[in-house]
Amino acid sequence: EIVLTQSPATLSLSPGERATLSCRASQSVSSSLAWYQQKPGQAPRLLIYDASNRATGIPARFSGSGSGTDFTLTISSLEPEDFAVYYCQQRSSWPRTFGQGTKVEIK
Amino acid sequence: EVQLLESGGGLVQPGGSLRLSCAASGFTFSSYAMSWVRQAPGKGLEWVSSITGSGGGTYYADSVKGRFTISRDNSKNTLYLQMNSLRAEDTAVYFCALPYGSGGYLDYWGQGTLVTVSS
Repeated sequence: EIVLTQSPATLSLSPGERATLSCRASQSVSSSLAWYQQKPGQAPRLLIYDASNRATGIPARFSGSGSGTDFTLTISSLEPEDFAVYYCQQRSSWPRTFGQGTKVEIK
Repeated sequence: EVQLLESGGGLVQPGGSLRLSCAASGFTFSSYAMSWVRQAPGKGLEWVSSITGSGGGTYYADSVKGRFTISRDNSKNTLYLQMNSLRAEDTAVYFCALPYGSGGYLDYWGQGTLVTVSS
């Protein structure tokens, strides 16, 4: 099973600041990695797929990079609605796995 | 418009069984794989199971293998999760999810149904 480790667990930032979230895989997943956003009481929303492709309707301030074992989600300038929990997920192999999440909170 | 609507959650005793359903609409159901993902209270996301469009291929997390069975009825546009030998650690919101247009990733989700395993 591929283990995804996200860091940091919590990121405290102010609106307008840049957020950089990390996801590290225990073995290579090539580019088969996605990022999801989840707000309290809601289902997750797909943001980025195949490491760097924005899903439909996702604003350009969200970007993803990386391949192999190290991946980054960047939010260029935080909007109030971006404060949420973010998860990475791999679909390189079975079982599919998620990271434990990074909470982006208002400082 | 794609819609996924889960049902069947509730309170069940340890060792009991429950069957979840996910009614799908707005797309050609039989053409797409489907998945179940769960989230324990206050915890992160955990992939549970996936099934191919035809139903011929199924995949499970180790934590549920041998206890849960995923299936689908393409004539009814419905996905199922039969959960047996339930444990307290199976308590979670269960989401059905669809990899529709974004490279096989989960881009449509239901609202979730809560399963509580407790005596």
